[in-house]
Amino acid sequence: DAKTTQPPSMDCAEGRAANLPCNHSTISGNEYVYWYRQIHSQGPQYIIHGLKNNETNEMASLIITEDRKSSTLILPHATLRDTAVYYCIVRPAGGGNTGGFKTIFGAGTRLFVKA
Amino acid sequence: NAGVTQTPKFRILKIGQSMTLQCTQDMNHNYMYWYRQDPGMGLKLIYYSVGAGITDKGEVPNGYNVSRSTTEDFPLRLELAAPSQTSVYFCASSPLAGDTDTQYFGPGTRLTVL
Repeated sequence: DAKTTQPPSMDCAEGRAANLPCNHSTISGNEYVYWYRQIHSQGPQYIIHGLKNNETNEMASLIITEDRKSSTLILPHATLRDTAVYYCIVRPAGGGNTGGFKTIFGAGTRLFVKA
Repeated sequence: NAGVTQTPKFRILKIGQSMTLQCTQDMNHNYMYWYRQDPGMGLKLIYYSVGAGITDKGEVPNGYNVSRSTTEDFPLRLELAAPSQTSVYFCASSPLAGDTDTQYFGPGTRLTVL
C-alpha cells in the first residue's frame, strides 16, 4: 500500500526553484519522510529526510507541514542534471521487525528541468 | 570507497536457466537489500539482510533466494528463470544509524528472460 501521493510529472525552468509536493495524510508519529531520486537507468540516490522539523542539506530543503500530513522537497536552483524521478517515502524509525525495512518506492514524480 | 557494486550489468537468460546476481559493498554496512524495478514502476523489495547469516523476505521473494555469508556480499539467486523476472535489479546497503536508514544503491543489473 502506497503511503504517499505525488504528482506524476512536473516541469521546471533551469535556474528556478523546483518544488515537489508529497501528500502523506496517514503518517504516524514515529514515521520519517525520506526523499530519493533516480536519474535515468541509475540506482536511486538519497536526497534528504526529516521527522517534523524542516531540514536542509547541500542538495535540497525539506519542508514538512505542522500536522505532518504533507511535505515539499525544494531544489533551490534546478539544473538539467536534476531531471529525474523523485520518490517521497514514509517509513518507521529503526529496522528489523519494527517494519523499518518497508521502504516503499511508489511511482514518484518525474521532474523535467528545461533550458 | 567503491560503494555498492553489482555484476553483471546486463544478462539475457532462457526460461528455466539459473543465475546469481552479485552485490558487494565496501562501507561495512550491516544492512543490505535487493529490489526489482519493472518498467515505469517503483522499486519492490525482494529480500533483505540485517547482518552476516541473517536474511528475511521482502514484498516479492518468490522465485529468488539469498545468502549472506560475509558483511560485504549479498548475492541473489534465480533458480528457474521465468519471463516475469525480466526486470532491473538493484542492490542497496545502509548503516542504519540510530532511527534513520539512508540506503546506498548500486548501478543495477538489467535482466531479460526469454
